[in-house]
Amino acid sequence: ETGVTQSPTHLIKTRGQQVTLRCSSQSGHNTVSWYQQALGQGPQFIFQYYREEENGRGNFPPRFSGLQFPNYSSELNVNALELDDSALYLCASSSRWEYYGYTFGSGTRLTVV
Amino acid sequence: GQQVMQIPQYQHVQEGEDFTTYCNSSTTLSNIQWYKQRPGGHPVFLIQLVKSGEVKKQKRLTFQFGEAKKNSSLHITATQTTDVGTYFCAHNNDMRFGAGTRLTVKP
Repeated sequence: ETGVTQSPTHLIKTRGQQVTLRCSSQSGHNTVSWYQQALGQGPQFIFQYYREEENGRGNFPPRFSGLQFPNYSSELNVNALELDDSALYLCASSSRWEYYGYTFGSGTRLTVV
Repeated sequence: GQQVMQIPQYQHVQEGEDFTTYCNSSTTLSNIQWYKQRPGGHPVFLIQLVKSGEVKKQKRLTFQFGEAKKNSSLHITATQTTDVGTYFCAHNNDMRFGAGTRLTVKP
């Protein structure tokens, strides 16, 4: 059984650029959630995807967008990067109806300069 | 969405001492989850509580869900250096995390 894998692990971008982060869900999981975690803070919910549809969204602007693919993998896209977007971006997958919590990937550390 | 507040923000203990973190909500929670994040790591699921007054144990860790389902606690007995990390509670329905309690343990 594979866990959640995210790529890339680290990324440096310039303010105003666009970035795409990728996530492969754990086998058997059909729900993917994305989180932003600033240093020393708790994870902040960005959005969740289920069956390729957005299934809930946190307090993030529209320049944060996502996709879920038929194999349940997912992408997080951020346009017009700002310095405050520098953070650890975490992907978490789960089976919609299980009660064993979310499995997190190791995250992508994004630095915007 | 519902807010879950955690206290304390930081806790420093001597190895062998006990540790407790609390999670509180102004509204009734359908469930509560607890996660641990080691320094430099990612959150790892520990447990989910669903029933009013529920108590679950994992070795030295005891998790409780309040009778009114508005609060929860995680208690660690006789802390060890391996317990170091940040402990988060989260509400499964909207997956919003508390700010976490950072535990440090002095050997």
